[in-house]
Amino acid sequence: AQRVTQPEKLLSVFKGAPVELKCNYSYSGSPELFWYVQYSRQRLQLLLRHISRESIKGFTADLNKGETSFHLKKPFAQEEDSAMYYCALSSPGTYKYIFGTGTRLKVLA
Amino acid sequence: DGGITQSPKYLFRKEGQNVTLSCEQNLNHDAMYWYRQDPGQGLRLIYYSQIVNDFQKGDIAEGYSVSREKKESFPLTVTSAQKNPTAFYLCASSRENTEAFFGQGTRLTVV
Repeated sequence: AQRVTQPEKLLSVFKGAPVELKCNYSYSGSPELFWYVQYSRQRLQLLLRHISRESIKGFTADLNKGETSFHLKKPFAQEEDSAMYYCALSSPGTYKYIFGTGTRLKVLA
Repeated sequence: DGGITQSPKYLFRKEGQNVTLSCEQNLNHDAMYWYRQDPGQGLRLIYYSQIVNDFQKGDIAEGYSVSREKKESFPLTVTSAQKNPTAFYLCASSRENTEAFFGQGTRLTVV
């Protein structure tokens, strides 16, 4: 079964500390993987996708097919990074998206 | 101004009543989706549609119904059969395997 697991409901870090939001998936094949972010009072929006391999707002994510993981990382957290983060999987050839349960990131001053 | 619009923002329903949530997009996307967002449970897929006049059940379709008569529109009806309808509902649209664009959401409360 297709599944996305985000083991941490809440992650608190101090400003300037490194951040890693974990995401593991189960899928038999090669999925498309995404990270979405929801800032307070804003709509859910794309942060990055694995196929583009770019860094957005200092965040990067590497797809590890061996560990079936797609962890989101940032070397130095900023207060404005505080938000809800969702990892998502999409099946190639379909339009179906599966989301994880989300991790709330709190960056403390 | 392109985007995806959900209405209303807040909706109150009496127990036993059906209620319909609106979702419209002008992005010319083929696919549209309905998700339910509950604290601690993330986004759970209710229904999705890849093309006009076709839709598939997601993981929690019981108590919900949809229609896709036009490419731009994908309304969701929350029926009286849905045991716990109070939630935040998100609509989204996308092209195949690309970024999904989300609406602002509708908060439904059963009173």
